[in-house]
Amino acid sequence: EPEVTQTPSHQVTQMGQEVILRCVPISNHLYFYWYRQILGQKVEFLVSFYNNEISEKSEIFDDQFSVERPDGSNFTLKIRSTKLEDSAMYFCASRKTGGVTGELFFGEGSRLTVL
Amino acid sequence: GESVGLHLPTLSVQEGDNSIINCAYSNSASDYFIWYKQESGKGPQFIIDIRSNMDKRQGQRVTVLLNKTVKHLSLQIAATQPGDSAVYFCAESRTGANNLFFGTGTRLTVIP
Repeated sequence: EPEVTQTPSHQVTQMGQEVILRCVPISNHLYFYWYRQILGQKVEFLVSFYNNEISEKSEIFDDQFSVERPDGSNFTLKIRSTKLEDSAMYFCASRKTGGVTGELFFGEGSRLTVL
Repeated sequence: GESVGLHLPTLSVQEGDNSIINCAYSNSASDYFIWYKQESGKGPQFIIDIRSNMDKRQGQRVTVLLNKTVKHLSLQIAATQPGDSAVYFCAESRTGANNLFFGTGTRLTVIP
């Protein structure tokens, strides 16, 4: 069964460092998302991406965050200067169709620890 | 803003019993609801969804009930099994939106 894959599974970084989290969405999907989950809390929407541009973003997704689809398979989330509060599990998700109908497939997440 | 919350943070049930997980939402404009299951160390996994033009939808061993009058959503799991132990999230959205808003989650523990 096709799946969303994420790397790294866990990254530890120093505050102020740049981090890039990588995702390979399911190959025939067109809509891509990043969510994050602080330990013990709910899953929070960060950004959605379609046709090589951001289609929607939340208040969390400030100027320190950026997303990119550098080639036909990867979808990345960059945090330019990490803060302690960026420590969380970051989930990539993809969907074949737009809107919210239809199943959203999540990866297993990348755990980011900022020291 | 949107608010999706869960009544109970934890639920323990005996194996073979039925489980009911509840969720309240506050945005009356929400018209699409989804239940996700998250096992330890994994991403959320889609279980079942329901649109606001329906009151009930059934899947394999799961049923989702929607009460729009009181903005309440529930997930019923029949004959709960140890493999059902996980955190369950409800999520909501509305037509035209491109994202989901998740609730806090309920941890279901199945006692063998």
